[in-house]
Amino acid sequence: DVVMTQSPLSLPVTLGQPASISCRSSRSLAYSDGNTYLNWFQQRPGQSPRRLIYKVSNRDSGVPDRFSGSGSDTDFTLKISRVEAEDVGVYYCMQGTHWPLTFGGGTKVEIK
Amino acid sequence: QVHLVQSGAEVKKPGASVKVSCKASGYTFTSYGISWVRQAPGQGLEWMGWIDAYTGDTNYAQKLQGRVSMITDTSTSTVYMELRSLRSDDTAVYYCARDQKTTGTTDYWGQGTLVTVSS
Repeated sequence: DVVMTQSPLSLPVTLGQPASISCRSSRSLAYSDGNTYLNWFQQRPGQSPRRLIYKVSNRDSGVPDRFSGSGSDTDFTLKISRVEAEDVGVYYCMQGTHWPLTFGGGTKVEIK
Repeated sequence: QVHLVQSGAEVKKPGASVKVSCKASGYTFTSYGISWVRQAPGQGLEWMGWIDAYTGDTNYAQKLQGRVSMITDTSTSTVYMELRSLRSDDTAVYYCARDQKTTGTTDYWGQGTLVTVSS
């Protein structure tokens, strides 16, 4: 199975400051169709996960443009340009290139 | 809009089975798959398996093989997930999520169903 390793585990951030989460996969996530199926999810307390980013860098509809995704092959990053109070929660990366689908362990974003 | 509505919370004894439903609306049901993901209390997300909503083809996580089944009912746009021989460590919130037919890129998620396994 592809192991997804996220860091850091916990990320205290000052409001208005940037935040960055790393996700590394144990093998390349490049698929035979030319796409890379790396997704990012946000889970606010008590809610279902919500997809923010798909195929590395594509923002879902309604996702603020302060969220951005980048990376390739085995190394990926989610950035929040200026953290707002509503961004508190746990963020997960997930790879969809190889079966079984696998998630990173999560990064908890909190306000300092 | 796309909606996935799941059945309500369940309490089961060890060794029993549970069946959770996921009713889809707002899109062409048979053009997508459904993945099931669970989350134990205070833990991360664990993918359980996937079903093609049209053909019924499935792909299950190795650790659940033999205990999990997923079926599709195209007449009601509903997918069911059954987990058998329940143990205390199966206590979790179970989510269904719309997925693609080939690669995994879950987009819309259900509200979750809490399954508690306790004697």
